[in-house]
Amino acid sequence: LAKTTQPISMDSYEGQEVNITCSHNNIATNDYITWYQQFPSQGPRFIIQGYKTKVTNEVASLFIPADRKSSTLSLPRVSLSDTAVYYCLVISSGGYNKLIFGAGTRLAVHP
Amino acid sequence: SQTIHQWPATLVQPVGSPLSLECTVEGTSNPNLYWYRQAAGRGLQLLFYSVGIGQISSEVPQNLSASRPQDRQFILSSKKLLLSDSGFYLCASGRSNQPQHFGDGTRLSIL
Repeated sequence: LAKTTQPISMDSYEGQEVNITCSHNNIATNDYITWYQQFPSQGPRFIIQGYKTKVTNEVASLFIPADRKSSTLSLPRVSLSDTAVYYCLVISSGGYNKLIFGAGTRLAVHP
Repeated sequence: SQTIHQWPATLVQPVGSPLSLECTVEGTSNPNLYWYRQAAGRGLQLLFYSVGIGQISSEVPQNLSASRPQDRQFILSSKKLLLSDSGFYLCASGRSNQPQHFGDGTRLSIL
């Protein structure tokens, strides 16, 4: 399972775009990149998943370069309610989908 | 969509007492089921996963056990709790290649 590295914490202000980068140098051909969001005392919530290039949904965008050794989660115009921990995970397309969580990135959005 | 039910939300237990945490899943059939534990300020640690009734795989040797008596029921147990069993326990459901859905967890405090 590919290990991921992401910043421990980030600060931003309401209305700004936030980009959180994750490195996964050992990603395998069959692996997908997935991001989760977690609020205190709640379970993680799926945000977005991608394999290559760009994926966009109503919440975020995910940018993955051609070599797939990193990915960037982009949150447009954050609000205070986006304050949370964000986890980047690399998941194999086969197997039992066992998730390996790191410490995540603690995003604090300020007024 | 899937809904993961966990109870209780919080639990305070004395050292040496037994434990039973229950997780039930709605909105899917034959899911893979997972138990995670999260220490304060840390990422999630996978404890057990199950791909079917009666099939349990343990990821970390410890004082806990898991059972899956029904397709959408997953139980985490202990015969004698230790102080180190304190934490936030999360149940998740998913299929291969699909994002996992998490419950809202049980916060367990051992006194």
